[in-house]
Amino acid sequence: SQQGEEDPQALSIQEGENATMNCSYKTSINNLQWYRQNSGRGLVHLILIRSNEREKHSGRLRVTLDTSKKSSSLLITASRAADTASYFCATDAGGTSYGKLTFGQGTILTVHP
Amino acid sequence: KAGVTQTPRYLIKTRGQQVTLSCSPISGHRSVSWYQQTPGQGLQFLFEYFSETQRNKGNFPGRFSGRQFSNSRSEMNVSTLELGDSALYLCASSLLGGQSPQSTDTQYFGPGTRLTVL
Repeated sequence: SQQGEEDPQALSIQEGENATMNCSYKTSINNLQWYRQNSGRGLVHLILIRSNEREKHSGRLRVTLDTSKKSSSLLITASRAADTASYFCATDAGGTSYGKLTFGQGTILTVHP
Repeated sequence: KAGVTQTPRYLIKTRGQQVTLSCSPISGHRSVSWYQQTPGQGLQFLFEYFSETQRNKGNFPGRFSGRQFSNSRSEMNVSTLELGDSALYLCASSLLGGQSPQSTDTQYFGPGTRLTVL
């Protein structure tokens, strides 16, 4: 079963614009991770944010986490055509949830040149 | 370091057959997790292995099984294949699989095995 929802389900923007994707989850977490997937291939890890962190940056990526609202957002600045992919958030509940990430449904991002 | 590798990349089987998929984790990683991805259900956790022991299991029927070898390589097996088993099967490796309460273990995914059941 999915942990939560991601919105929007699909996002279409022009190169150079910013893209924001949101993720909500249902249970308490140890950390939240964002992944990218190109055309049904493997998942590429983008960024991990721990439950005691509120914001994290990596290059053109900015992730925020609000544990009181059980939500996270991923911002990609100055988007490029190569950013076209599906983006997933995944939560690690910690405890005895060894090796288990629970994924959202994903956001399909299309960046037009 | 070499990434996570999965073999084969593509498989076509018929209903009732069984299949074995293989995953080689990143060197030094001891935890291997398996996921199934389908358009309808999304990404779902199958199971996790650490030091040759299954520590965690998702909500899948007993037809889905796995194992891990002493070198941390893992295999998953699906018996009596059904049409609904057609999916992308992904494995991921991490150092410890979230062993510590404050774990920030990152899971690194392989390219996946695309299984088609006819």
